[in-house]
Amino acid sequence: AAGVIQSPRHLIKEKRETATLKCYPIPRHDTVYWYQQGPGQDPQFLISFYEKMQSDKGSIPDRFSAQQFSDYHSELNMSSLELGDSALYFCASSLGLADPYEQYFGPGTRLTVT
Amino acid sequence: AQSVAQPEDQVNVAEGNPLTVKCTYSVSGNPYLFWYVQYPNRGLQFLLKYITGDNLVKGSYGFEAEFNKSQTSFHLKKPSALVSDSALYFCAVRDTNFGNEKLTFGTGTRLTIIP
Repeated sequence: AAGVIQSPRHLIKEKRETATLKCYPIPRHDTVYWYQQGPGQDPQFLISFYEKMQSDKGSIPDRFSAQQFSDYHSELNMSSLELGDSALYFCASSLGLADPYEQYFGPGTRLTVT
Repeated sequence: AQSVAQPEDQVNVAEGNPLTVKCTYSVSGNPYLFWYVQYPNRGLQFLLKYITGDNLVKGSYGFEAEFNKSQTSFHLKKPSALVSDSALYFCAVRDTNFGNEKLTFGTGTRLTIIP
């Protein structure tokens, strides 16, 4: 079965650079979630989209922005990167109204800021 | 605000013995509860969920969890542990209100199965 695809899987950036993370949800899934997992920490919710509209917002820095496109894929844009942004970034998708319970997670993008 | 507590950072169990990973939750209304497992350098894999109905929920790889409303707990259990069960386990809660589907995770419990 198709799963959530995230690209790139690994990304190395320098301080003050920008990064773009991409997420391709499971086909027919219309809801996308972004989570950040710092080293040795639990995943923290950043932002979510349902039918291309922002549905919820968590502890996402103002330097970060995200959107969901017409094909339901989503991109997380991160600017003025800081060392503390180094983390594993997960995308998850769900069926929204049809199956609003289970979120399917992608393998994550490991971002390292040097 | 919703929250989850996993009181044990580390749980060690001998192979073949039963295992329990503890989780308690706090939500304003009725909870949706989940268990996820994370292997090294991998994503989060769904194990099981409680939405409504029977308090005992069965999931993947022989795991089950018991929802206890009075104790606000959702402990993960398995009758006989395997070495391959060694991983990081996260309990998560979700609000039942539509438009607030974000998962709030516990801090995780590292389960080590000793051969």
